Amino acid sequence: DQQVKQNSPSLSVQEGRISILNCDYTNSMFDYFLWYKKYPAEGPTFLISISSIKDKNEDGRFTVFLNKSAKHLSLHIVPSQPGDSAVYFCAATVYGNKLVFGAGTILRVKS
Amino acid sequence: GAGVSQSPSNKVTEKGKDVELRCDPISGHTALYWYRQSLGQGLEFLIYFQGNSAPDKSGLPSDRFSAERTGGSVSTLTIQRTQQEDSAVYLCASSRQGSNTGELFFGEGSRLTVL
Repeated sequence: DQQVKQNSPSLSVQEGRISILNCDYTNSMFDYFLWYKKYPAEGPTFLISISSIKDKNEDGRFTVFLNKSAKHLSLHIVPSQPGDSAVYFCAATVYGNKLVFGAGTILRVKS
Repeated sequence: GAGVSQSPSNKVTEKGKDVELRCDPISGHTALYWYRQSLGQGLEFLIYFQGNSAPDKSGLPSDRFSAERTGGSVSTLTIQRTQQEDSAVYLCASSRQGSNTGELFFGEGSRLTVL
């Protein structure tokens, strides 16, 4: 039972343009959502998060949007840079419990 | 150390052998997690330790898998009678207050190859 789904295995974007990574979830009890970034041969690193009481959180070039009614969140990166090329994981949690991760989306930013 | 440390970084073993993977979390972090990533797959939850509470073992795929955390710090993940499908990168992560803040700090992983 995949509670967190990232339906796009990969995404290719031109440098300077916007990257939009999508994530859907099924558990309405999730109250905190996160994005992690992973480079090859490294562990994932935390990127940005959002509480279920908000619909938007922004940090520099990264913005996460949450649509609770649609059980959907997205990560926007603008402008995209070649160094953003990595695997992006969406994750969700119910307070005090384990993080549930999606399968990841490979982002390639072409220069 | 400053980050989560895992050892060994690479382990090649023969089918049927037991393996132990070690994780040293960030000092002071009360929560410790084990995940694994099989080739082409996402991060699969295995087990979660939070302070002195009973661990959440709901992600362990079979009774060949076990984990312990001694003294609230170092953790060891043990896989008995390894199978080829156990081949994966095993990732350990820690956090300050469990997952209520959600931010986990991951190690670089232990890559296990079962021949």
